[in-house]
Amino acid sequence: DAGVIQSPRHEVTEMGQEVTLRCKPISGHNSLFWYRQTMMRGLELLIYFNNNVPIDDSGMPEDRFSAKMPNASFSTLKIQPSEPRDSAVYFCASSYRRQANTEAFFGQGTRLTVV
Amino acid sequence: ILNVEQSPQSLHVQEGDSTNFTCSFPSSNFYALHWYRWETAKSPEALFVMTLNGDEKKKGRISATLNTKEGYSYLYIKGSQPEDSATYLCAFGGEETSGSRLTFGEGTQLTVNP
Repeated sequence: DAGVIQSPRHEVTEMGQEVTLRCKPISGHNSLFWYRQTMMRGLELLIYFNNNVPIDDSGMPEDRFSAKMPNASFSTLKIQPSEPRDSAVYFCASSYRRQANTEAFFGQGTRLTVV
Repeated sequence: ILNVEQSPQSLHVQEGDSTNFTCSFPSSNFYALHWYRWETAKSPEALFVMTLNGDEKKKGRISATLNTKEGYSYLYIKGSQPEDSATYLCAFGGEETSGSRLTFGEGTQLTVNP
């Protein structure tokens, strides 16, 4: 398996524009997580899905952020409108079970810069 | 808000030195403790997932211990090599009732000088 695949790797956009980040989890994994890495807050969980259903979105910072998982092999994280403070590295991870004793496999991340 | 703390924040050692760092986490509602290794420009990779009090795990020169009663875990690296340079993250996983989310510490950044 190629691992968790994220696209794009880098995104530079202007403030106010819509940004869509994409993730393909490892085949057979039924849990998917979106994390954001910033200098100030470290690696924080935004939202996670189990069997394509959002389970906990309490980490989503505000209504400008939304995430979907239309099927087991694809998820998107959308920011609309984007703001400079959204600049960060966004990671997607998947695991084969939702329980916390299950290893998470991370993608390479998307580095987002909002100017 | 769960408090997962790692110390030190950064560490510089010489090649061949042995080193260790700490992760402290809530001792209640414990389910699992993860250690990840995160090299620059790469994605975090799991080293260990630990669930039992007193657990010790080893992978090559790296080992970890777990004390769930007092809420800490140690990561040890024996005979550090330059390729061990990375950020080491720990993550606390709570019981099912608190969801399966992992709460990450901010990491210990290790630099091994040749």
